[in-house]
Amino acid sequence: GNSVTQMEGPVTLSEEAFLTINCTYTATGYPSLFWYVQYPGEGLQLLLKATKADDKGSNKGFEATYRKETTSFHLEKGSVQVSDSAVYFCALSDRRTGANNLFFGTGTRLTVIP
Amino acid sequence: EAQVTQNPRYLITVTGKKLTVTCSQNMNHEYMSWYRQDPGLGLRQIYYSMNVEVTDKGDVPEGYKVSRKEKRNFPLILESPSPNQTSLYFCASTPSGTLRSGANVLTFGAGSRLTVL
Repeated sequence: GNSVTQMEGPVTLSEEAFLTINCTYTATGYPSLFWYVQYPGEGLQLLLKATKADDKGSNKGFEATYRKETTSFHLEKGSVQVSDSAVYFCALSDRRTGANNLFFGTGTRLTVIP
Repeated sequence: EAQVTQNPRYLITVTGKKLTVTCSQNMNHEYMSWYRQDPGLGLRQIYYSMNVEVTDKGDVPEGYKVSRKEKRNFPLILESPSPNQTSLYFCASTPSGTLRSGANVLTFGAGSRLTVL
């Protein structure tokens, strides 16, 4: 089946620190991979995506590379800011199964302190 | 502004008192879906709708109903709420074409926090 496993939180970092949030997946078909971000009091919004192996998604200084050999899609940012404090969700959709659904990880809460 | 609007944003109710959480989108999206978010469990799909009058169960449909009489609206109905339905609920939508391509980026509402006493 399809599932996503992401790094347990919470994660607390100082401003300008390097961020990695691990995400691995299991999929029966050919998934697209996503990172969504949820800022306090808001709904989820797309941060970045990758639709095939070796694609790199990037946005707002965040990056993630679709690694088929390790079934991973780790989120990275070189220098975090206080405004990056949020909950981050890794997700996948599987085109072969009709992709009516996104399979979400459990979320990782990031707090960045000044 | 393109958006998904949910109401109410916050609700405290009692066991057994029927309630409806409304969801409306102004983007002419065919696909709409309801999720619940619980600590340590991420987002789980309750129901989804591929288009008007077409709905289907997600992973956790028990205790919920939905309807899709119009393209823009997808209300979530709790006929007899119970405390285990205390949760944060999200409605989301996307064009159906993106589902087929696999690049289905969902647009989410801001969430409805429901407490059932």
